[in-house]
Amino acid sequence: EVHLVESGGGLIQPGGSLRLSCAASGFTVSSNYMSWVRQAPGKGLEWVSVIYSGGSTDYGDSVKGRFTISRDTSKNTVYLQMNSLRAEDTAVYYCVKTGGGYWGQGTLVTVSS
Amino acid sequence: DIVMTQTPLSSPVTLGQPASISCRSSQSLVHSDGNTYLSWLKQRPGQPPRLLIHKISNRFSGVPDRFSGSGAGTDFTLKISRVEAEDVGVYYCMQTTQFPYSFGQGTKLEIK
Repeated sequence: EVHLVESGGGLIQPGGSLRLSCAASGFTVSSNYMSWVRQAPGKGLEWVSVIYSGGSTDYGDSVKGRFTISRDTSKNTVYLQMNSLRAEDTAVYYCVKTGGGYWGQGTLVTVSS
Repeated sequence: DIVMTQTPLSSPVTLGQPASISCRSSQSLVHSDGNTYLSWLKQRPGQPPRLLIHKISNRFSGVPDRFSGSGAGTDFTLKISRVEAEDVGVYYCMQTTQFPYSFGQGTKLEIK
């Protein structure tokens, strides 16, 4: 059975950094494309980043140059390193497998002073 | 970037009656591999989204057959044949044909 468990969210000051983790089970992350999608409070969904099975990555314009997606195949885990955080990055961050078939429960990131 | 536009944004429906949501993309969602990566998701408050339909019309595992998807190119529709109380929530269309992947604004389905 597929499970995705996010962790690493919390309250952080503007300009700070956080690393989110997504521990996967029931499948191999390196054989799928894995994504991070976020949802600001009361708002819609925004695709943040994706890492493809071959290892290449893509980023939304709002996070390009600040966020980095990566994976550790030995831990079957995907990461999102978030630097230079802004108030507008406040959101629940979801880890998503492939084309949206499986989502984690999400982890809340709050950027505020 | 591909912009996804849903209509209506709110849909009050009567239990047992059909419901329909439209989604239009700003450009064709036909991928170079011939597939059209248009999906529909449903989200309830406090919950992550759940995939209902992928590649226009394919129901995901466990999705009731009262949900159906149709369309082609840039125009797509999600239909619920007979709305049940558990169908309330926000419905999103999503394209994963071209990055940045994108979502519609969401349609809130509520019971009259």
